[in-house]
Amino acid sequence: AQTVTQSQPEMSVQEAETVTLSCTYDTSESDYYLFWYKQPPSRQMILVIRQEAYKQQNATENRFSVNFQKAAKSFSLKISDSQLGDAAMYFCAYRTPSGYALNFGKGTSLLVTP
Amino acid sequence: DAGVIQSPRHEVTEMGQEVTLRCKPISGHDYLFWYRQTMMRGLELLIYFNNNVPIDDSGMPEDRFSAKMPNASFSTLKIQPSEPRDSAVYFCASSSYFTEAFFGQGTRLTVV
Repeated sequence: AQTVTQSQPEMSVQEAETVTLSCTYDTSESDYYLFWYKQPPSRQMILVIRQEAYKQQNATENRFSVNFQKAAKSFSLKISDSQLGDAAMYFCAYRTPSGYALNFGKGTSLLVTP
Repeated sequence: DAGVIQSPRHEVTEMGQEVTLRCKPISGHDYLFWYRQTMMRGLELLIYFNNNVPIDDSGMPEDRFSAKMPNASFSTLKIQPSEPRDSAVYFCASSSYFTEAFFGQGTRLTVV
């Protein structure tokens, strides 16, 4: 079974600064997908960014980017120019191409201070 | 499309009562998932369907839980009888082969 580990239960960042959230995973598959989801206090699960394992280039979405290290099975999320609205729980998730269900990490709570 | 729609948003019930959670997936999506979120266990997959057929129900905690998908636009998750340890947020999500999973806003269930 694939496992996803987020070792930082809580993180804090000042507004306009940069923060990196860590995620590692365990798999024997060579092809898979990785995701970061954001869950604000509203409870809605919002996709932030996705990465296909076969792509060497790291995914970026505006202020959000990932550092994907396939050999190390590491998938960290970098948030640049942090904003108050970025405060939320962030979940790392994994799935294989044939298995459509997501395996989630336990989440990292991000606090953004003015 | 209005996204994945779940009802109710909140449910408070007494132990032993039957609870039914409802989900309308995004039109055109052929995968539907039920997840449960708790502080202790995080987000867990309960069951998922493909083209209305249950594919993997290994996450369903026990026989008190059942899920159905009678058609492509509707699914239910039923708990009978409910217990306090079932208190959690239950998410429905849908996807297709080409898209990531889109989640509903969840149902917060409290069993007292």
